[in-house]
This record gives sequence, structure tokens and C-alpha cells, in this order.
Amino acid sequence: DAGVIQSPRHEVTEMGQEVTLRCKPISGHDYLFWYRQTMMRGLELLIYFNNNVPIDDSGMPEDRFSAKMPNASFSTLKIQPSEPRDSAVYFCASSLRGGNYGYTFGSGTRLTVV
Amino acid sequence: GQSLEQPSEVTAVEGAIVQINCTYQTSGFYGLSWYQQHDGGAPTFLSYNGLDGLEETGRFSSFLSRSDSYGYLLLQELQMKDSASYFCANRMDSSYKLIFGSGTRLLVRP
Repeated sequence: DAGVIQSPRHEVTEMGQEVTLRCKPISGHDYLFWYRQTMMRGLELLIYFNNNVPIDDSGMPEDRFSAKMPNASFSTLKIQPSEPRDSAVYFCASSLRGGNYGYTFGSGTRLTVV
Repeated sequence: GQSLEQPSEVTAVEGAIVQINCTYQTSGFYGLSWYQQHDGGAPTFLSYNGLDGLEETGRFSSFLSRSDSYGYLLLQELQMKDSASYFCANRMDSSYKLIFGSGTRLLVRP
């Protein structure tokens, strides 16, 4: 298994531009999570899906953030318009039957907004 | 609310044993997990405690006391490659949201 695959690994964009982060979960996993990691705020849960359905998006910071999961093998996190304070590492993780048996994280996307 | 508290940094010598503590405050409790993250890498799952007691996986062990709202990760026979950040995490309720502590940075010295 190739694990959770995220793209791109690095993204540098200008303030005001749209950014789309992509994630392919492990086949068969029914939960998908998007996290953001910064030095100041640590690992923050943004949103999670169960069987492609968004369950809780209370961690999404603003309306500028949106996430979709059109099918079991693909999810996107979009920021429009981006701002410098969105600079962070964004991780996607997937798991089977929730968190008890461990999440598998992707390698992350390091986003820099200048 | 919910919070998990860990020491920010721990330093230990190669070959030694180190314990990383985690205390938590939650409205409900659905198990405590531990993750390891090397600089520039992704968090990787180490262990899970759903019940009180010790869980052992090779050189790593994790302990939980629900009555004390406390757990720890024990690393034995420390190796240089164990230098990383370690996070405790738990589910806050019957949903599957996993909330992470702020992490403990472990530095293993020769």
C-alpha cells in the first residue's frame, strides 16, 4: 500500500490566490481527516469525513476554507483567497473505523503564502 | 473544554530510558493515543490505550490511568533516531475527532 498520498508537497503562492491541496486516502479506510500544523497552534483538526460525507467542519477557520470528498479515493482542501496567516503544513490522514487503531498521515503539504 | 498537557522538551542519553507524561481534561474519554513525528515528517501512530494499564510494543510502552486522567509513553534503550516530537492525543467524544497535545520534543544525546 502506498499510504496516504498528498500533493503538492510544497506550495508557494501569493496572497489572494486560490490554493487547492489534494489527498488520496488508503484504500478501504472510511475516515478522512484534514489537519493543519503550525508552531503556534500545533496540530489542529479542520474537518473530517466518514464514507465521503463531511461530519464535522467546526475546525475550519473561515469561509475561505472549503473541503470536498467526491469519492472514496480523493479529497481536496481549498483556500480562496489565501492569506499569509494560512501558511502552515496541511496534513491529510485516513483511518479505518475512526481513531482507536491509529490514523495514517500523509507526508503533508507545506503551504507558504507571501 | 478539552486539553492535553505535555512537557515541551525532554533530553536523554542514548541507551537510557525516558518517560513522557500526558495529563488530560476531557468531558468524555475514549482512549489515549501516542504519535511520533520527526522534523519535516508526518506524525506516525505508536500506541493506543483504551483501558488502564500498560501496553508494550517493542522498546515503546504506553500507560494509562483513567482515574488520574494521566498517561505516559516510555521509551527504552534510547537510540539517536528516537529524537523526535511525541504527541499524546485522544477522542473528545463518541465522534472520531482526534485532539492532539502540543507535543514533547525529545532530544537523544550520544
